[in-house]
Amino acid sequence: AAGVIQSPRHLIKEKRETATLKCYPIPRHDTVYWYQQGPGQDPQFLISFYEKMQSDKGSIPDRFSAQQFSDYHSELNMSSLELGDSALYFCASSTRTSGRGDNEQFFGPGTRLTVL
Amino acid sequence: QKEVEQNSGPLSVPEGAIASLNCTYSDRGSQSFFWYRQYSGKSPELIMFIYSNGDKEDGRFTAQLNKASQYVSLLIRDSQPSDSATYLCAVNRDWGKFQFGAGTQVVVTP
Repeated sequence: AAGVIQSPRHLIKEKRETATLKCYPIPRHDTVYWYQQGPGQDPQFLISFYEKMQSDKGSIPDRFSAQQFSDYHSELNMSSLELGDSALYFCASSTRTSGRGDNEQFFGPGTRLTVL
Repeated sequence: QKEVEQNSGPLSVPEGAIASLNCTYSDRGSQSFFWYRQYSGKSPELIMFIYSNGDKEDGRFTAQLNKASQYVSLLIRDSQPSDSATYLCAVNRDWGKFQFGAGTQVVVTP
């Protein structure tokens, strides 16, 4: 079965540079979530999109922005990178079911960002 | 205090034994509850979800939910060395973001 695709898998940047992470959700999934996971930490929610509109916002720095495109893929844009931005960035996708809020999120393999 | 609490472990379990993982949450409006397994450096992998009080079984895994006590647990029967990982409890309200616990590290010893 198709899974969530993320690119690149690894990214090395210098401080103050910019980075763009891409996420391709599972086909027919309409919702995309971005999470940041630092070493030894649990995933922290950044932002989500449903049907190309921002649906929720978490602890996303103002230096970061994201959007979901017409084909449902999403991009996380990160500017003025700081050392503390070094982390694993996961994208997850889901599809809204009727009725209850059961919302299985399937995670992509992640992008490991290293800021030097 | 985190909205979702888990014992960090490590939880050491002999091979073939039952591993019992616990999770409590603070948001009474939470509707869906998930258990993910995460190997070091890898992405979280969905094991089970549950949204009704009681037990839900899937193979060697059983999830238990008690909304009155705001408590969800995961039992792993016949633990295998490949079960050694960090287990994340995630709680969801409507279709929103997941609130994750800090994870419980499980170590299955031969």
